[in-house]
Amino acid sequence: AQSVTQLGSHVSVSEGALVLLRCNYSSSVPPYLFWYVQYPNQGLQLLLKYTTGATLVKGINGFEAEFKKSETSFHLTKPSAHMSDAAEYFCAVSKGSGSARQLTFGSGTQLTVLP
Amino acid sequence: DSGVTQTPKHLITATGQRVTLRCSPRSGDLSVYWYQQSLDQGLQFLIQYYNGEERAKGNILERFSAQQFPDLHSELNLSSLELGDSALYFCASSSRIGVSPLHFGNGTRLTVT
Repeated sequence: AQSVTQLGSHVSVSEGALVLLRCNYSSSVPPYLFWYVQYPNQGLQLLLKYTTGATLVKGINGFEAEFKKSETSFHLTKPSAHMSDAAEYFCAVSKGSGSARQLTFGSGTQLTVLP
Repeated sequence: DSGVTQTPKHLITATGQRVTLRCSPRSGDLSVYWYQQSLDQGLQFLIQYYNGEERAKGNILERFSAQQFPDLHSELNLSSLELGDSALYFCASSSRIGVSPLHFGNGTRLTVT
């Protein structure tokens, strides 16, 4: 069964520092992977997705993630954190097929950006 | 703005009661998903509808039910409410083509007292 594990429920970085949020997945088939961000009192917003092709995926707000099959990882990075990046981040894997696809989410990582 | 509309934003009700949460998907999206978000359980997939038909079920309690109507809006019905049902309920929609991402509404915050 497909699932994701996010390492670290809370991550703190200084403004301008590298952001690294970890996600490992388990999947018996090539996975479709996603990162979502949730700001307070809002729904989840798609940051980026990996389906096929290039393993380095660029998303919105300067975020990117690299699919590493050998490590079963899909870590999210951003070179320089901004105060506005403070939010909760969710990694997700798509399971199912055809029109019966749904996302299984990790437990989330709360990112704090320190001034 | 994701284009997914959920009403109401907040709902406060008592144990044993029944409530209905409503979701209007993005224009053109045929799939609707319901998720429950709570502090202890995280984001849990409840149920998916595609063009009016149930397509997948997750961790949905028997006290909960959903449907998708011909105009593609969806309703999630929660009955015999318990304190533990207090959570944020999200609706999301997606198109039918390929592995399209989910677009989430802003959720309905349910408080059961």
